[in-house]
Order: sequence, then C-alpha cells, then structure tokens
Amino acid sequence: QVQLVESGGGLVKPGGSLRLSCAASGFTFSDYYMSWVRQAPGKGLEWVSYISSSGSTVHYADSVKGRFTISRDNAKNSLYLQMSSLRAEDTSVYFCARGYQYPQHWGQGTLVTVSS
Amino acid sequence: EIVLTQSPGTLSLSPGERATLSCRASQSVSSNYLAWYQQKPGQAPRLLIYGASSRATGIPDRFTGSGSGTDFTLTISRLEPEDFAVYYCQQSGSSPRTFGQGTKLEIK
Repeated sequence: QVQLVESGGGLVKPGGSLRLSCAASGFTFSDYYMSWVRQAPGKGLEWVSYISSSGSTVHYADSVKGRFTISRDNAKNSLYLQMSSLRAEDTSVYFCARGYQYPQHWGQGTLVTVSS
Repeated sequence: EIVLTQSPGTLSLSPGERATLSCRASQSVSSNYLAWYQQKPGQAPRLLIYGASSRATGIPDRFTGSGSGTDFTLTISRLEPEDFAVYYCQQSGSSPRTFGQGTKLEIK
C-alpha cells in the first residue's frame, strides 16, 4: 500500500534552515508528481510546492518562493524540501502528498516550529 | 490567484440530517478542477471528491459534489457520526493551487 513518511521537522530559530524528507513506498515513485502542503496550528491548508515526476518542473507558493527548494531523488524514492530564511509564520505541520492535482495519498506530517 | 471562499464557517447538525457546504471561487475554476477534502484532528486530509463531482476511491455515496465555474457544493445526504470534521475545497485549475478556509461540521 502507498506509504509516505515525513521526517526532519523540529524547532529552528528565525532565519535558520531545515531540510524535510519524505520517504515513499508502495508505488512507483518516479511516475508521480509530488507536493508539499502545510498547515499552521489551528489553521487551514496551504499548498507550498510541487515537483514533476522527473524533477524538471517545480512550482512554489509566493509565500515561500526564493526561500524553499523542492527536490527529489527517484533512486531513493524520496522527496525533499529545503527551507531557509525561516520565519515565525512558517511554523506548520508539513505534509507530503502524492500528486499535484488532487492528492489522494498523504503522509502524517512533520511539525516545523520557528521560534527564538 | 484564485481565492476560494467556503460557507458557512461552522455548520451544526445532527446525525441523519443533510449537510450542504458551499465553495465559491473568485474566478472560474478551469475544467472544474475542484476537489473536496475531509480532515479530522491530528490526521492528514482525506480526498472525497475530485473534478467537482467524482468520488474518490472508497468514498461512500452519501457524499456528492456538484457545481461548475465559480460555485461548487458538497452535499452529505445523511450524516453519520464519523462525518463530523472540517471540510476544505481546493482548486488545481491554475497555479498556485489554493484551498478554501474550511467549514467545520459539528454535532448539534
């Protein structure tokens, strides 16, 4: 069955960096676009970024453009989100999801807290 | 950016009743690329409806999506106890993908 497991979250100071990972299994990872979606505590969902199956096409929300970089390693069945210049408003649970239209499969999320 | 506005913010109903949730877009959603998700506390979103009206795999037929252009509706015909949750609409007809702010469906 499809499994997506995020890791790499934690507490980081404003201006700091963090790299999130998503380990995929149960499907042919290299066939699918992948996305990152986040949810601030008690708030709604925000699409952060998506990447094409080959990695050649990426897209970002304006709120993270220039600070976050999405990438993937199809040989390792892994998706990444490199986050830099982090701000308090980036504090969220970050979900990885399969697809970029209507993700049906999601991980359980990893919490990123940006605080001094 | 397409802004999705959901109403009502909170809907209080009893099990067995019918729920009607609305999602209005600030501009037409291309090819009806509109989806609905259910989210319970501490869980990831669950895809219910895509393409405005197609049920995702394993979704009971009491969930129905309808609408086109800028106005979309999710109807739950007879509420079950497990249906009380937060519901989000989402568009993927243009970038950036956007979500509505959510409707909380609570037990009356």
